[in-house]
Amino acid sequence: DQQVKQNSPSLSVQEGRISILNCDYTNSMFDYFLWYKKYPAEGPTFLISISSIKDKNEDGRFTVFLNKSAKHLSLHIVPSQPGDSAVYFCAARTGNTGKLIFGQGTTLQVKP
Amino acid sequence: EAGVAQSPRYKIIEKRQSVAFWCNPISGHATLYWYQQILGQGPKLLIQFQNNGVVDDSQLPKDRFSAERLKGVDSTLKIQPAKLEDSAVYLCASSPTTSLETQYFGPGTRLLVL
Repeated sequence: DQQVKQNSPSLSVQEGRISILNCDYTNSMFDYFLWYKKYPAEGPTFLISISSIKDKNEDGRFTVFLNKSAKHLSLHIVPSQPGDSAVYFCAARTGNTGKLIFGQGTTLQVKP
Repeated sequence: EAGVAQSPRYKIIEKRQSVAFWCNPISGHATLYWYQQILGQGPKLLIQFQNNGVVDDSQLPKDRFSAERLKGVDSTLKIQPAKLEDSAVYLCASSPTTSLETQYFGPGTRLLVL
């Protein structure tokens, strides 16, 4: 049972344009959501997070939007840069356990 | 500050053989995690330690996988005997006190079982 889903395996955008990565979840008990970024041969690194009491969190070029009614979150990168090319994982957790459930990942390619 | 260290980085074994992975978390981090990431999937938690005690091992295949963190610092994950489907990247992560804080990942060990 895949509780966190990233339905787009890959995304290609032009440098300077907006990248939008999507994530859907099924468990309404999730109360915290995170995005991790992974380069080849490296471990995932934390990028940005959002609590379920908010609908938007911004950090520089990165913004995460949460739509609780649709059980959907998205990561916006504006403007996209070639160095953003990586695999992006969406993850969710419940407050009582803290256990992270990851999506399958989306490979982003930003073309110069 | 040094990150999470893992070794070896790559390992190739034949099915039914044994293998062990080592992880040294960030200094002072009490919580340590082992994840399995199969190609095309996201990381899946195998086991979580708080200091040297197990918090969650519900998804650890205990008939073949074992893990320990005897002194509450570094940890080893063992597979005995390995199966073809164990081919994956094994990621170690740590967080300062609880799993409600940011987890920091090591580079992983890529295992190929032939």
